[in-house]
Amino acid sequence: SQQGEEDPQALSIQEGENATMNCSYKTSINNLQWYRQNSGRGLVHLILIRSNEREKHSGRLRVTLDTSKKSSSLLITASRAADTASYFCATGSNNAGNMLTFGGGTRLMVKP
Amino acid sequence: EPEVTQTPSHQVTQMGQEVILRCVPISNHLYFYWYRQILGQKVEFLVSFYNNEISEKSEIFDDQFSVERPDGSNFTLKIRSTKLEDSAMYFCASRDREGSNQPQHFGDGTRLSIL
Repeated sequence: SQQGEEDPQALSIQEGENATMNCSYKTSINNLQWYRQNSGRGLVHLILIRSNEREKHSGRLRVTLDTSKKSSSLLITASRAADTASYFCATGSNNAGNMLTFGGGTRLMVKP
Repeated sequence: EPEVTQTPSHQVTQMGQEVILRCVPISNHLYFYWYRQILGQKVEFLVSFYNNEISEKSEIFDDQFSVERPDGSNFTLKIRSTKLEDSAMYFCASRDREGSNQPQHFGDGTRLSIL
């Protein structure tokens, strides 16, 4: 798989359920970031986890990072219809420019 | 909350024409980026810019592309002679200078359609 691959590609759940999205990557990273994109809109930054961190919380979001497995997960608890969007993981490089490498994203649909 | 703004939201251009996409990054940010997203595909890095010079660029960013920070607020991406395959959403992003572990903040993008 390529750097920053999410699975599943699509996820459909009922409002109130939890949604878990996974991301795998290949090379060493400085950090891993999760972004949300509503259809036709820009990328909204959700959470950044550094390579020396294992877990991070922000509101209903919980992100884990396992650098030994080169993987991360994003958990959205108590989902709402408004959470419907595409979610992308992006790895930040160690280079000076700190470019982001994005995965293909998970399309999340939360049914009311 | 400060945000990255991009203009225009949609640009339609004939193949072979030059196009300039404009971005106003967040005012106290010093790292600037362009990414693109072809319909149905991943977001791809194009170029990063710091201290008035390119710090990193991808293979996509060939001689047809250039970036400029003409004044204290704007950051532009120019495509010299557009091709059909340049049709995509182009996103500008900026980052605070305080350490590399800072998020990049994205604009809403410019949809570029090449006819």
